[in-house]
Amino acid sequence: AAGVIQSPRHLIKEKRETATLKCYPIPRHDTVYWYQQGPGQDPQFLISFYEKMQSDKGSIPDRFSAQQFSDYHSELNMSSLELGDSALYFCASSQGQIFYGYTFGSGTRLTVV
Amino acid sequence: GENVEQHPSTLSVQEGDSAVIKCTYSDSASNYFPWYKQELGKRPQLIIDIRSNVGEKKDQRIAVTLNKTAKHFSLHITETQPEDSAVYFCAATAGDRDDKIIFGKGTRLHILP
Repeated sequence: AAGVIQSPRHLIKEKRETATLKCYPIPRHDTVYWYQQGPGQDPQFLISFYEKMQSDKGSIPDRFSAQQFSDYHSELNMSSLELGDSALYFCASSQGQIFYGYTFGSGTRLTVV
Repeated sequence: GENVEQHPSTLSVQEGDSAVIKCTYSDSASNYFPWYKQELGKRPQLIIDIRSNVGEKKDQRIAVTLNKTAKHFSLHITETQPEDSAVYFCAATAGDRDDKIIFGKGTRLHILP
């Protein structure tokens, strides 16, 4: 079965640079969720999109922005990167009005140096 | 907003013994409670989930119980095996669509030989 695809798998950026993470949801899924997981931490909800509109917002810094495109893939744009942004970034997707949970993508490991 | 508390943060059990992880949540509107297992550097993987209209669910060696009145739920792993060693996260849903998953801080489970 198709899963959530994230790219790139690994990314190394310098401080103050910009990074773009991509997420391709499971086919026919209309909702995308982004999470950030620092070392030894629990995954923290950043933002979600339903039918290309922002659905919910969590602890996402103002330096980050995200959107969902017409083909339902989503991109997380991170500017003015800081060392503390180094983390695993996971994306997940779901479908429909009734929530049946979701499966995470393999994640993007962002390292800021 | 939803707050999920998880205990203990670390748990060591002898191989073959049982392990129990307990969680509480704050939002009485939460209806879905998943449990995730995460190995180092990998994505959280859903191992079992329970909805608010069910008090208990079992899948082979894993069981989850839910007490909605007390707002607490627990994970029980019986006949533990070395491959059960990982970090386990409990979670609860929140948000207008009840699809934003909020995680506990995690329990690092060590299975001792």
